[in-house]
Amino acid sequence: QKEVEQNSGPLSVPEGAIASLNCTYSDRGSQSFFWYRQYSGKSPELIMSIYSNGDKEDGRFTAQLNKASQYVSLLIRDSQPSDSATYLCAAVIIQGAQKLVFGQGTRLTINP
Amino acid sequence: KAGVTQTPRYLIKTRGQQVTLSCSPISGHRSVSWYQQTPGQGLQFLFEYFSETQRNKGNFPGRFSGRQFSNSRSEMNVSTLELGDSALYLCASSFQGQGTYGYTFGSGTRLTVV
Repeated sequence: QKEVEQNSGPLSVPEGAIASLNCTYSDRGSQSFFWYRQYSGKSPELIMSIYSNGDKEDGRFTAQLNKASQYVSLLIRDSQPSDSATYLCAAVIIQGAQKLVFGQGTRLTINP
Repeated sequence: KAGVTQTPRYLIKTRGQQVTLSCSPISGHRSVSWYQQTPGQGLQFLFEYFSETQRNKGNFPGRFSGRQFSNSRSEMNVSTLELGDSALYLCASSFQGQGTYGYTFGSGTRLTVV
């Protein structure tokens, strides 16, 4: 089982709709979770962090964490073409030496 | 505030050669982590340095090594290059390290081995 898993997509969403990205993790002791956005040819950019169960909202982005289900999600409301990118889920894995582990990423395309 | 600076941006090397990549973290950040990104494997953790000490290492062969200097700048070295080492190498810095509060990434070094 991979430490962090995402639906590889690609995911296509019409402009103005809600994009939903999902991620699961294997280390039940993980406490810190992140969503990064990576445009083609660019490096990953941190867009959301979440540490507690529940929802965390920042503008059009909402991160959701359910530690019991070991599940993290990212919702993008009112999707814009500029949101088209690969979204990477990351979790701090504490089994063994602590490190930040990334999922494979989900490629999201917003269609005008 | 300057971001994470990686040099060079692009490299082309021949199989069997060695290469050294450089990373300057954000001022005040003491932790530098290195990742390899390929289309097939995604972002894979190489190692993390904190205050000149290697704190953690990923599942890569011993050909991959690194170090950190007293000014927090870090270098990564790959010896005896193989075709499969072609990838984007990303450096990430943080104040505390171990991923606790996330990382800021540099622009990366695109390494092509021919």
